[in-house]
Amino acid sequence: GAGVSQSPRYKVAKRGQDVALRCDPISGHVSLFWYQQALGQGPEFLTYFQNEAQLDKSGLPSDRFFAERPEGSVSTLKIQRTQQEDSAVYLCASSLATGEDGNQPQHFGDGTRLSIL
Amino acid sequence: AQSVTQPDIHITVSEGASLELRCNYSYGATPYLFWYVQSPGQGLQLLLKYFSGDTLVQGIKGFEAEFKRSQSSFNLRKPSVHWSDAAEYFCAVGHNDMRFGAGTRLTVKP
Repeated sequence: GAGVSQSPRYKVAKRGQDVALRCDPISGHVSLFWYQQALGQGPEFLTYFQNEAQLDKSGLPSDRFFAERPEGSVSTLKIQRTQQEDSAVYLCASSLATGEDGNQPQHFGDGTRLSIL
Repeated sequence: AQSVTQPDIHITVSEGASLELRCNYSYGATPYLFWYVQSPGQGLQLLLKYFSGDTLVQGIKGFEAEFKRSQSSFNLRKPSVHWSDAAEYFCAVGHNDMRFGAGTRLTVKP
C-alpha cells in the first residue's frame, strides 16, 4: 500500500482482556517501530525491528507487552491482561533502513486508539 | 540519555504572522533531529530533518529549522502561517529509539 496501515483504528476492551494491534508497514521497509502516545503527550518509543529481529524492546512498559514480526513484514503488538493505564494511541512507523544511516525517516500510520474500561 | 523539551504547550498566532516553535534537546553525540506535525486523529507527518551539514534545514509546507549546537536547540520557523497549519507539532531526537517532546499545539486566528 501507499502508507503504513494500522488496524483496528479503534479498540475498546475491558480491563483484564488481551488485545492485539496490527501494523502493515510500507512495502520493502526494513525497519518497524512501535510507539505509545498518551493523551496530550508525545509518542513514547516502545520497540523496533529490523526485518524479523527485535533489536530493541527497552521501551516496553511491562512484560504484559509483547511485539512480534515473524516474517519481517506485518507486526503485531499484543497486550495481555490490559490495565486502564494502557489506554493510549499506539503508533506504528516504518523506514527503509536503520542503524547509523539516519537518512531514512520514519513514516507513521494513523494509529490505533485503545480504550480500556 | 537523550531527551527533548518543547517549552511551549500552546501557541496562538494570527494568520499571516510569523511562527517560531522552540525545541531544546539533550543528546550525547551529534543528534539526528526531526520535526513532525500531527493533525487530530492522524499519524505524524515529517516536516524536516537534520543529520549533518548546513544548519538551516528546509522542509515541506514552507517550514524551516535551524540547528544551533551551542544552544542545543532546533527551532522550527515559518514566515507566514496559514490556517491549515493549525495542528500539534513534535520535535524529536535520535536514531532508532527516537525521543519526542511533549508537543506544541498551534492555533491560528483568522
